[in-house]
Amino acid sequence: GQQVMQIPQYQHVQEGEDFTTYCNSSTTLSNIQWYKQRPGGHPVFLIQLVKSGEVKKQKRLTFQFGEAKKNSSLHITATQTTDVGTYFCAGPWSSNTGKLIFGQGTTLQVKP
Amino acid sequence: DAMVIQNPRYQVTQFGKPVTLSCSQTLNHNVMYWYQQKSSQAPKLLFHYYDKDFNNEADTPDNFQSRRPNTSFCFLDIRSPGLGDAAMYLCATSKTGTGANEKLFFGSGTQLSVL
Repeated sequence: GQQVMQIPQYQHVQEGEDFTTYCNSSTTLSNIQWYKQRPGGHPVFLIQLVKSGEVKKQKRLTFQFGEAKKNSSLHITATQTTDVGTYFCAGPWSSNTGKLIFGQGTTLQVKP
Repeated sequence: DAMVIQNPRYQVTQFGKPVTLSCSQTLNHNVMYWYQQKSSQAPKLLFHYYDKDFNNEADTPDNFQSRRPNTSFCFLDIRSPGLGDAAMYLCATSKTGTGANEKLFFGSGTQLSVL
């Protein structure tokens, strides 16, 4: 069945270092969404990418959607302790529902 | 502020004792979802309501049931909780459920412990 894979599972960085998490789907996606979950919290929507090759930025966060619409990445420049949490990518189950399949998530730890 | 509200934040139940988790939303969204999230894992969809239409995932155990008495409220009933059902249960909503571009709005979750 449809799968969304995410790597790495964990990443420890020193504050100020960059961080990247990668997401790969077994099928072509109509869109990809990214969520952040702080420790003990709930997932919060960050962004949605729809177009092939799309790149979007939110301050220090850069999101990319692959040309084939099967992969995506999230890059954080100069991490801060506030970036700590688990980052999930999620793709739609099918083209006509709001159901999402979540990747396993990448947990980011930032050492001050 | 419009939001998705889950109560309680923490719920403790005994093995085999039925428990109900509740979720309410003030967003007036058409779709409500229940996800189960175990430690260090991704949220796993249990079922969702598209308006009043109930949609069960194929691998959701029969032990889990849901009710949506009106647009605003949705309940998750666990008929006989086992130790393996200890998890965070997340309620989420989306606006229409008719397109693939909808984002989810999550509640704060209920952390269920089974003793």
